[in-house]
Amino acid sequence: ILNVEQSPQSLHVQEGDSTNFTCSFPSSNFYALHWYRWETAKSPEALFVMTLNGDEKKKGRISATLNTKEGYSYLYIKGSQPEDSATYLCASLGGGSNYKLTFGKGTLLTVNP
Amino acid sequence: DAGITQSPRYKITETGRQVTLMCHQTWSHSYMFWYRQDLGHGLRLIYYSAAADITDKGEVPDGYVVSRSKTENFPLTLESATRSQTSVYFCASSEAQLSYNSPLHFGNGTRLTVT
Repeated sequence: ILNVEQSPQSLHVQEGDSTNFTCSFPSSNFYALHWYRWETAKSPEALFVMTLNGDEKKKGRISATLNTKEGYSYLYIKGSQPEDSATYLCASLGGGSNYKLTFGKGTLLTVNP
Repeated sequence: DAGITQSPRYKITETGRQVTLMCHQTWSHSYMFWYRQDLGHGLRLIYYSAAADITDKGEVPDGYVVSRSKTENFPLTLESATRSQTSVYFCASSEAQLSYNSPLHFGNGTRLTVT
């Protein structure tokens, strides 16, 4: 079982602030790193799937980077808006399995207007 | 609209009863998964299926049974429900292997309470 850690556990920011979260995962036998956005009372929605060291992906104001050698990924949100309030989950695929994603516990972001 | 649907959304059952959670997807995705969400834990994989009639255990399979006779359906059965199985259950599907830039698509979840 892989160990995927996310920090911080929760974060409060003001509207307009930029913010970032960290996901750390085992770097050995790494296959892919997934990021999901999970709004309250909804189901998780995919943001990014990243596989290559040095990958950077962007969707609107949200971007992510990946360092597979040291086992971490950053998620950045530029100019946070109240609608960005959600739990952000990362999940690592590795350890010889193409199917068993291991999820972190998430970072709960609250953006105050 | 195409999508992945779970039923029921809410279920209360008694200890020892058998209960089946349904999952149906209309994308013809090969891969389907069942996760449970509990306080203090990340989403944990119960079972997954790579295709019809191919299933395998995830991280927490004990007390659960799955079947996949048709590509679009992946029911999860609790053979004899226990209080520790009180949880929110998510079904998910993916078009390709998760290592191939293929994300999970989640259903809306089933909140199960075992009394």
